[in-house]
Amino acid sequence: DSGVTQTPKHLITATGQRVTLRCSPRSGDLSVYWYQQSLDQGLQFLIQYYNGEERAKGNILERFSAQQFPDLHSELNLSSLELGDSALYFCASSVGGQDTEAFFGQGTRLTVV
Amino acid sequence: EDQVTQSPEALRLQEGESSSLNCSYTVSGLRGLFWYRQDPGKGPEFLFTLYSAGEEKEKERLKATLTKKESFLHITAPKPEDSATYLCAVPPNSGGYQKVTFGTGTKLQVIP
Repeated sequence: DSGVTQTPKHLITATGQRVTLRCSPRSGDLSVYWYQQSLDQGLQFLIQYYNGEERAKGNILERFSAQQFPDLHSELNLSSLELGDSALYFCASSVGGQDTEAFFGQGTRLTVV
Repeated sequence: EDQVTQSPEALRLQEGESSSLNCSYTVSGLRGLFWYRQDPGKGPEFLFTLYSAGEEKEKERLKATLTKKESFLHITAPKPEDSATYLCAVPPNSGGYQKVTFGTGTKLQVIP
């Protein structure tokens, strides 16, 4: 158990819908990262927050947004969902910035039908 | 732009057959190198952080080493439960709006 909690574990939704994925980081960790992993693909970095502020951004679609709340949990919002958005979405957290090791949650498997 | 290349893409070993996985990187001013293990459908599991050339870290049958251009993950007498994809990653060189760069991984299969 990494200490990073993601909910829900599985999500099935229709095209055009909007979903919210939730992440609780390890106790004491200030950074939260979101990654997308499509079937048999590598990890695609989406976004990082550090202590509530956006710190780094990858190729995150405009339909996707995220935020980190004062209690340091984070949410990833995916809207106008398309079939191609079906993937595993991972959250990770680290105590400091990107030069500190990150610990990953077990992911949310999103299926868009 | 930072680059991380892992080889081989896939490796099939007999149980007990030791081998090494390679991670070569191109980054100016290495600030560390991470190794992770990922099982299918699961989140990556942190294994090691290496910070400087010559550093070595061990955990059970795994030993990670670092040179100025590459890192190796040595697997000694592997067991079937070591089957997984092994990922290496490097953090960005400096601050600013940059990301950790992950390699595409080596998929290891250990056959009984």
